Amino acid sequence: GIQVEQSPPDLILQEGANSTLRCNFSDSVNNLQWFHQNPWGQLINLFYIPSGTKQNGRLSATTVATERYSLLYISSSQTTDSGVYFCAVPSTQGGSEKLVFGKGTKLTVNP
Amino acid sequence: EAEVAQSPRYKITEKSQAVAFWCDPISGHATLYWYRQILGQGPELLVQFQDESVVDDSQLPKDRFSAERLKGVDSTLKIQPAELGDSAMYLCASSFSRARDEQYFGPGTRLTVT
Repeated sequence: GIQVEQSPPDLILQEGANSTLRCNFSDSVNNLQWFHQNPWGQLINLFYIPSGTKQNGRLSATTVATERYSLLYISSSQTTDSGVYFCAVPSTQGGSEKLVFGKGTKLTVNP
Repeated sequence: EAEVAQSPRYKITEKSQAVAFWCDPISGHATLYWYRQILGQGPELLVQFQDESVVDDSQLPKDRFSAERLKGVDSTLKIQPAELGDSAMYLCASSFSRARDEQYFGPGTRLTVT
């Protein structure tokens, strides 16, 4: 099945700093999602981005499907950005399609 | 804004007991998913429903886990008997039609088995 790798595994920032999170995938995909898991465990949808670039406030994402990677940019980070960021891609295995997640990037933003 | 509902949010149970989780997807979403997330890892799919039919339950430990979505709307995931290794976050998600469609997650149920 498809492999999804995220880097870095851990990231510590000071409030106000910018950061880039990376997601590599081993096979062609028809879509990609970025999530933020908050301290209570809920996965919050950030971007649904098969290709190109999208922006939402201080966050933006770029997926280059032909090169099998996606980037999540966080600008002017805030303490509320802390948590784990996951990317996930659909993969067909055994005749059914399912979402496969990376292991996540744990972001800590210090005041 | 429509959301996926889950209950309970937290559950502590003793090993060998039965436990059940409930999920109500976003209205109109045909596909419902149950995921299990172990601390430090990404969610992994346990079972996927399309309407009331199971599409994928290849990772569901069927000797102790069961899932149903009788009327194609809400769903229940059951564990009987619970084991210590079942301690995890159980997440429910839904999408309009297919796994490649945008999936929306509920708040999850954090299970602790003692």
